[in-house]
Amino acid sequence: KAGVTQTPRYLIKTRGQQVTLSCSPISGHRSVSWYQQTPGQGLQFLFEYFSETQRNKGNFPGRFSGRQFSNSRSEMNVSTLELGDSALYLCASSFRGGSNQPQHFGDGTRLSIL
Amino acid sequence: DQQVKQNSPSLSVQEGRISILNCDYTNSMFDYFLWYKKYPAEGPTFLISISSIKDKNEDGRFTVFLNKSAKHLSLHIVPSQPGDSAVYFCAATGVSSYKLIFGSGTRLLVRP
Repeated sequence: KAGVTQTPRYLIKTRGQQVTLSCSPISGHRSVSWYQQTPGQGLQFLFEYFSETQRNKGNFPGRFSGRQFSNSRSEMNVSTLELGDSALYLCASSFRGGSNQPQHFGDGTRLSIL
Repeated sequence: DQQVKQNSPSLSVQEGRISILNCDYTNSMFDYFLWYKKYPAEGPTFLISISSIKDKNEDGRFTVFLNKSAKHLSLHIVPSQPGDSAVYFCAATGVSSYKLIFGSGTRLLVRP
């Protein structure tokens, strides 16, 4: 069974640019969540989607946005990139989200801002 | 406000011995707890979870204990193997929360 697939694995951008990251969940999973991992802040929740609807959002500025498609694939977008956006961005999926079912993670996209 | 805390940044144990990783939480609304293992350059791998209606869950060498009154959970690995060397994160979530709150992680080193 294929796991969560994230593309690209590595990305280098400059300040002010925008970026789009992609996530394909495990087949049959309809909930997709995004997390940011940095050395200083650890793993922090960005947002969660289910059936193309955002159900929860973390404490990130509006420059961070996402969407989910009818096939459950998801994208997240970061506009006007800042140096502090350099991080590992992780996507996770589960059947329907919420309690009593684990989220399974992809290997992430490493975003570096110059 | 750290709702999930892992107070030990690192732990070193001898191969074959028990590894005990600890985690504390503050939010009494959490009802589902998970442990993940993470190697460098990879995403977190789900290990084991426990619902708040239980106090113990086992899966092979891994056992998670939950003490709700103390708001404390622990992961026991017996016997520890060198391949278990990684960073371990505990995480928690609540009903209709749809998000995981992570601890800061504990780096486990299992010495041969």
